[in-house]
Amino acid sequence: QLQLQESGPGLVKPSETLSLTCTVSGVSITSSSYYWGWIRQPPGKGLEWIGSIYYGGSTYYNPSLKSRVTISVDTSKNQFSLTLSSVTAADTSVYYCWVVIENTDYWGQGALVSVSS
Amino acid sequence: DIVMTQTPLSLSVTPGQPASISCKSSQSLLHSDAKTYLYWYLQRPGQPPQLLIYEVSNRLSGVPDRFSGSGSGTDFTLKISRVEAEDVGVYYCMQSKQVPITFGQGTRLEIQ
Repeated sequence: QLQLQESGPGLVKPSETLSLTCTVSGVSITSSSYYWGWIRQPPGKGLEWIGSIYYGGSTYYNPSLKSRVTISVDTSKNQFSLTLSSVTAADTSVYYCWVVIENTDYWGQGALVSVSS
Repeated sequence: DIVMTQTPLSLSVTPGQPASISCKSSQSLLHSDAKTYLYWYLQRPGQPPQLLIYEVSNRLSGVPDRFSGSGSGTDFTLKISRVEAEDVGVYYCMQSKQVPITFGQGTRLEIQ
């Protein structure tokens, strides 16, 4: 069964870089037609799509974050990652990793990342 | 960006009664491939969102048939024919016709 698990620091200082990893189990991250991505949710608020990547290289980012975001794949570890640079308190959120497979999707349980000095 | 607007933002429903949530998009969600990329999610407290309906009206396997989706173009509706206690949470519509993928603000459903 496909499972996703986010990992990374729960606290990041302002102006630094947030880095999260999503470990995929139950399917190869090199599977074609799978659409891997990140979505975030500030505490008590709605959902914001950050970006997505198809294995094979195509990446798509939210223009509101594009200058600060990178999503990449590590096939040797069956993982994909998110980096978000120059963070501020407004980046405090639960970060979910997400995969779309045809007409269904799977989510990680989410990782709360707080931005504070 | 395509703006998704949900109404109402909150609902209080007696068990066994129906509920309806509207989602309007700022542009048509009908793609040139003839599919309409409108989805409905339920986020229960403390959980990630769960996909209920894809492409307007298709229920995911395992989703109770009391949930139904309808609409076209820019106007969409999620209906629950008879609300149950387990339906509590926040409902989101989402469009993936074009990047950036965008969500509605969410509609909070509570049981009276």
